[in-house]
Amino acid sequence: EAQVTQNPRYLITVTGKKLTVTCSQNMNHEYMSWYRQDPGLGLRQIYYSMNVEVTDKGDVPEGYKVSRKEKRNFPLILESPSPNQTSLYFCASSLSQGAGYEQYFGPGTRLTVT
Amino acid sequence: QKEVEQDPGPLSVPEGAIVSLNCTYSNSAFQYFMWYRQYSRKGPELLMYTYSSGNKEDGRFTAQVDKSSKYISLFIRDSQPSDSATYLCAMSRNFNKFYFGSGTKLNVKP
Repeated sequence: EAQVTQNPRYLITVTGKKLTVTCSQNMNHEYMSWYRQDPGLGLRQIYYSMNVEVTDKGDVPEGYKVSRKEKRNFPLILESPSPNQTSLYFCASSLSQGAGYEQYFGPGTRLTVT
Repeated sequence: QKEVEQDPGPLSVPEGAIVSLNCTYSNSAFQYFMWYRQYSRKGPELLMYTYSSGNKEDGRFTAQVDKSSKYISLFIRDSQPSDSATYLCAMSRNFNKFYFGSGTKLNVKP
């Protein structure tokens, strides 16, 4: 089944404890992206990747890191999480930049930072 | 000023009604416009895509883009209870960065 998977689905952590949220797609997609969703603010793009080893900042990159060493994986790293990073996070992928109108989203990761 | 503005609703309509959802935007460089549907506790999924100005129809759904007014709309005809979801508009200049509205929650009552 074609899908985008995220792990973990739920995470409660404390301020300053480094964490990684994994994202994997099995569709051989070139483009991948991370979003956070907050009430009243909608989806905001954190980082995106056009292909392996090619990443760039979205609208709200502060406090996050990403890497794209393999085509299928695009982990999101929070090196020192803070309470304002409490949010619902979505990973998404599309076939290529040219087909970017259709992004396939993962099921989401709900992160709480205390 | 936010790049994309969308009325959060909620919008409650009876089954069979015509629904109109709208977004406004500020960046005239946007040329790709999308509508995503998000069910509760799920990720968004693409509903409609439009390039530049004009209309596009797909079954009960019609997307309209008016670039001169920086205004996009999604119309749902003969709305069904299964259409109850949050609808997100999204737009992009070149499919690298995407800007989403905050979403409008729609409830279609049987």
